[in-house]
Order: sequence, then structure tokens, then C-alpha cells
Amino acid sequence: QVQLQESGPGLVKPSQTLSLTCTVSGASISSGGYYWSWTRQHPGKGLEWIGHIYYGANTHYDPSLKSRVTMSIDTSKNQFSLRLSSVTAADTAVYYCAREDRYWFDPWGQGTLVTVSS
Amino acid sequence: EIVLTQSPATLSLSPGDRATLSCRASQSVSSDLAWYQQKPGQPPRLLIYDASNRATGIPARFSGSGSGTDFTLTISSLEPEDFAVYFCQQRSTWPPLFTFGPGTKVDIK
Repeated sequence: QVQLQESGPGLVKPSQTLSLTCTVSGASISSGGYYWSWTRQHPGKGLEWIGHIYYGANTHYDPSLKSRVTMSIDTSKNQFSLRLSSVTAADTAVYYCAREDRYWFDPWGQGTLVTVSS
Repeated sequence: EIVLTQSPATLSLSPGDRATLSCRASQSVSSDLAWYQQKPGQPPRLLIYDASNRATGIPARFSGSGSGTDFTLTISSLEPEDFAVYFCQQRSTWPPLFTFGPGTKVDIK
């Protein structure tokens, strides 16, 4: 059974960089076959795709965030990561990682709330 | 960018009722559409992919239909645990852009 778990600081100051990691268990990122994605959800709002990464570091990001987003993979730890720079209060959200199968997302991590505040 | 709209925004029903949720795409997505259920404090859970295929472990009371631009998620008889928010989702082929609908909340009447 594939499981994902997000980790990282719950509080980030404005203008700093948000850094999150997703640890995958039950599957190996280096086996290929899947993209690994980040999606966020602003409090009480809908879902917003941030981007995804494939083993081999092929990435695609949502155009609205592309200038601030970097994703990476650490195969030794079976993890993938998100970095979002120059954050503002508008980046306060629950951040989810998920495995992408063709175009749908399954499974998802439990999510982690990141608050941007001084 | 393909935009997904969902209707209604809120559906107030009783346990045992039939729920019919709609998702419309601004241009054809063929059958490449997924549905998710989300409960408070939980991540979305995949219900349906390819418009009509139930994901593993999803009860048969959930069904999906449609193709092109118009899709429907039907819950044949609502169970207490089905009261939640439902999102549809698609992916543009190139560049890959993923979009979600705004959601339909199914609440208890």
C-alpha cells in the first residue's frame, strides 16, 4: 500500500522560502512510471495544482507559480520536495503531495498547513 | 486553459436520497476526468477516473458518466458518510496543466 507523508515548517515568514518534503512508502520513486505532484488548498477554498516531477527530474509547474517553484527528488530517501520562494500571505494553505497516475491523483498525503506570517 | 465548473454549489439532501452532481469543461477533455471526495480535515480521495471507472475500494453506489464537456457523478443512495465536498479534475494534454472544479458540497437537509 502506497503512502505519502508531507513534512516541513508550519510557519514561514513573508519573503522567505517555503520548503516541504514528501516521503513515499510502499513504492519506489526511482522505479518510474509515475509523476509525483504537489497541490495546495487555501483555507476553505478549492484545490490548486502546483506542479509535478518525474524520476529523472522532468518537471512541470503551473504557470502562475512557475517563477517561484522548484521541485526535486532524493531517491536515496525516497522523497520528493517542494520549494516556493518569496512567499506572501496568499501562499498560506494546506499543501498536499500525491502520486499522479496518468492524470489523476492517488493516493494523497494527509496534507500540511503552512502559514505565512511574521 | 480548460476551466471546470460544477453545479450545484450546494446540494441539500437526506440519507437514502439520490445525488446528481454536474461538472462541465470549457472544452472537450474526452473521458479524461476524475472525481474526488473530500471530508473536513482530510485529503481528497479518488472516487472515479476516466469519467466512469470506480477507484479501488469505492462502493458501487458511486457512479460516473459523461464525455467531452459534460460529466455527472451520481450517488445512488446517500449514506451518512457521503456528506462531503466533491471535486472534478482534468489535465490539459500539453503543456500539462491540472485543474479542479470549485466543488459541490453535499450536506444534510
